[in-house]
Amino acid sequence: DQQVKQNSPSLSVQEGRISILNCDYTNSMFDYFLWYKKYPAEGPTFLISISSIKDKNEDGRFTVFLNKSAKHLSLHIVPSQPGDSAVYFCAASAGNNDMRFGAGTRLTVKP
Amino acid sequence: DAGVIQSPRHEVTEMGQEVTLRCKPISGHDYLFWYRQTMMRGLELLIYFNNNVPIDDSGMPEDRFSAKMPNASFSTLKIQPSEPRDSAVYFCASSLLRTSGRWRPGELFFGEGSRLTVL
Repeated sequence: DQQVKQNSPSLSVQEGRISILNCDYTNSMFDYFLWYKKYPAEGPTFLISISSIKDKNEDGRFTVFLNKSAKHLSLHIVPSQPGDSAVYFCAASAGNNDMRFGAGTRLTVKP
Repeated sequence: DAGVIQSPRHEVTEMGQEVTLRCKPISGHDYLFWYRQTMMRGLELLIYFNNNVPIDDSGMPEDRFSAKMPNASFSTLKIQPSEPRDSAVYFCASSLLRTSGRWRPGELFFGEGSRLTVL
C-alpha cells in the first residue's frame, strides 16, 4: 500500500512563478519528511527535510510546509527556474531509517 | 569523494535468465537500501540492511528476488528467473544514522541506478 502519495504526476510552471508540489501520507507514525529531486539518468538527490515538530522549513528558494492534522506536506519553489525541471519525490520516515517514497511529480519550468 | 556505485548501468536480458545487480555504498555508511523505480509505483523500497544485516525485506516482490550484503562495502540484488515485469530502474542507496538532539534519520545517497530490461 502507498503510505506516501503524490497525486499529481506532473506540473508545469512559468519561469519566475511559484511551484507548489503536494504530498499526502497515511501513516501517523511518520515523524520526518524529505523531498528528493531527480534528473534523468541520475539517482535522486536530497533537497530539503522537515521534522514533525516543525511546520515549516526554508532553504533559499525552497520551503517545505507540514500540516500534521491533515497529513499533508508541500514543497514551494519560488521563484521557479528552468533548472528546477526534474522529478520531485516526497519521502517519509517513522523514526528509523526505513524511508518510504511517493510516486513522484514531474515539474517542468518553462522559460 | 566516491558516491554510491552501481553496476551495471544497463542490463538487457531475456526472460528466465538470472540477473545480478551490484552496489558499493559510501564508505562508513551503516545503512544500505535497494529501491525499484517504475512509472506506476514510483520508488518502492525492496529491502534494507543495517550493518550488513537485512532489517526489512517485506518489499521484495517475490521469492525470485534475493539480496545479500556479505560485507560493509558490497551488496547484490539477484533476480532468478527474471520476467518482463521486472523491467525497471533499480537504485541502491546508503546512509548514516544521524542524531542531533532529537533522533532523525540520515539522508539517503543514491547511486545512478541500474536500468533493467527483460525481454
